[in-house]
Amino acid sequence: GQNIDQPTEMTATEGAIVQINCTYQTSGFNGLFWYQQHAGEAPTFLSYNVLDGLEEKGRFSSFLSRSKGYSYLLLKELQMKDSASYLCAVIAGNTPLVFGKGTRLSVIA
Amino acid sequence: EADIYQTPRYLVIGTGKKITLECSQTMGHDKMYWYQQDPGMELHLIHYSYGVNSTEKGDLSSESTVSRIRTEHFPLTLESARPSHTSQYLCASSHHSYNQPQHFGDGTRLSIL
Repeated sequence: GQNIDQPTEMTATEGAIVQINCTYQTSGFNGLFWYQQHAGEAPTFLSYNVLDGLEEKGRFSSFLSRSKGYSYLLLKELQMKDSASYLCAVIAGNTPLVFGKGTRLSVIA
Repeated sequence: EADIYQTPRYLVIGTGKKITLECSQTMGHDKMYWYQQDPGMELHLIHYSYGVNSTEKGDLSSESTVSRIRTEHFPLTLESARPSHTSQYLCASSHHSYNQPQHFGDGTRLSIL
């Protein structure tokens, strides 16, 4: 099976930078996804990493270290609208994507 | 932009009724999924399909059933609804390649009285 851990809640200030960590244990790793989910809405895709390193997309970046079973999502220049849950998800072998429990981020003024 | 549609968006219905939640996608995706999610809680995979006439149960035991007769359509059925089935149900689809993300529908919020 797969085990995915991420912090339950985080709080950060508008304009700041926040890093949301995710650790996982799996075999047959085929990649790691990050999703954003606003309250009451469906998850939306943010990023996909399969190789080690940092992928940057505007204010959001995602990092992966396969040897450490570790990823993080970095959000820069935080805005109030970034308040949401951030879901780490791992795909391995031919099994469906496995989601972590999500990190609820609150951005405060 | 993803084209995956769920109906109804909201449903309030009495105990014992048979319910079918519809999910359709126009992207030609082979893979489709059903998730159950309570407010503020994690996503639970209840069913998935990798193609026509192929369905599998997910990690969370569910009394619902699914069918996949056409690529674009993946309905979920509850034969006899109970209050414990009250939840949000999210449908998703993805391309067959593992590096392609899942695209989610807007969900059906189901309340069983």
